[in-house]
Amino acid sequence: DSGVTQTPKHLITATGQRVTLRCSPRSGDLSVYWYQQSLDQGLQFLIQYYNGEERAKGNILERFSAQQFPDLHSELNLSSLELGDSALYFCASSEAHNQPQHFGDGTRLSIL
Amino acid sequence: DQQVKQNSPSLSVQEGRISILNCDYTNSMFDYFLWYKKYPAEGPTFLISISSIKDKNEDGRFTVFLNKSAKHLSLHIVPSQPGDSAVYFCAASDEGSQGNLIFGKGTKLSVKP
Repeated sequence: DSGVTQTPKHLITATGQRVTLRCSPRSGDLSVYWYQQSLDQGLQFLIQYYNGEERAKGNILERFSAQQFPDLHSELNLSSLELGDSALYFCASSEAHNQPQHFGDGTRLSIL
Repeated sequence: DQQVKQNSPSLSVQEGRISILNCDYTNSMFDYFLWYKKYPAEGPTFLISISSIKDKNEDGRFTVFLNKSAKHLSLHIVPSQPGDSAVYFCAASDEGSQGNLIFGKGTKLSVKP
C-alpha cells in the first residue's frame, strides 16, 4: 500500500462528457503529480502541484485541468471527452521533487 | 522522440539466477533515475533510485548501476524470485523539471520456478 488513494477505480462514460478524478496523497507529501498511461504509450506526465500551486505542466490537453486543495488532495478534470482519452490515469505524490514518487493504483477511464 | 528507452519488451529468467534490466536515455540533463515495478491492476511501486553523482546504489537484492558516459543504467536482481515477475519501468528526471518523471515503456520480467 503506497498510501496514495485514487477514486474511482473505474469510470465508464460517453464522448462529450466531463469527469473528475480524485487523489489523496500520502500523509505529509506536498507534491502531487498526474500521469496518463494509454495502451500504446508509457506513462506520460500531465501536471504537477506543490502545496496548492501548479509547478509543472507536461503533455496535458487544454480540455484537461487540475487543482490541489488546501487539504492537499487533488482533482483532475477531463472535459469534452473523446474516445482517445480512454486510459489509465495515475496520481503520485512525493515529499519534494528530488524524492521518489509513490503512485496510487490508478483510475481506469473508458469512453464509449 | 523517446528520451528514456527500454529496448527489451520482455525477459525470462530462472529462479535463483540474476535478472538484468537495461535502460538507455538521451537527455544529458537527467540527474535522477528510478526503477519501478508494476503488477497488473496496481500502480507502479518504487524500487530503487540513483542520483547522477553516484554510479551504483544497492538495496537488498536490487542494485542499480549508472554509466553516465554511455547514458545507460541497469537494474540487477539477485537472486531472482518468482514474485519478482512484473513489468519494470525505468524513469528519469532533471533538476529543472520539478521532478516530473519521463518513463520508459517497460520490460516484462518473468521468473520461472
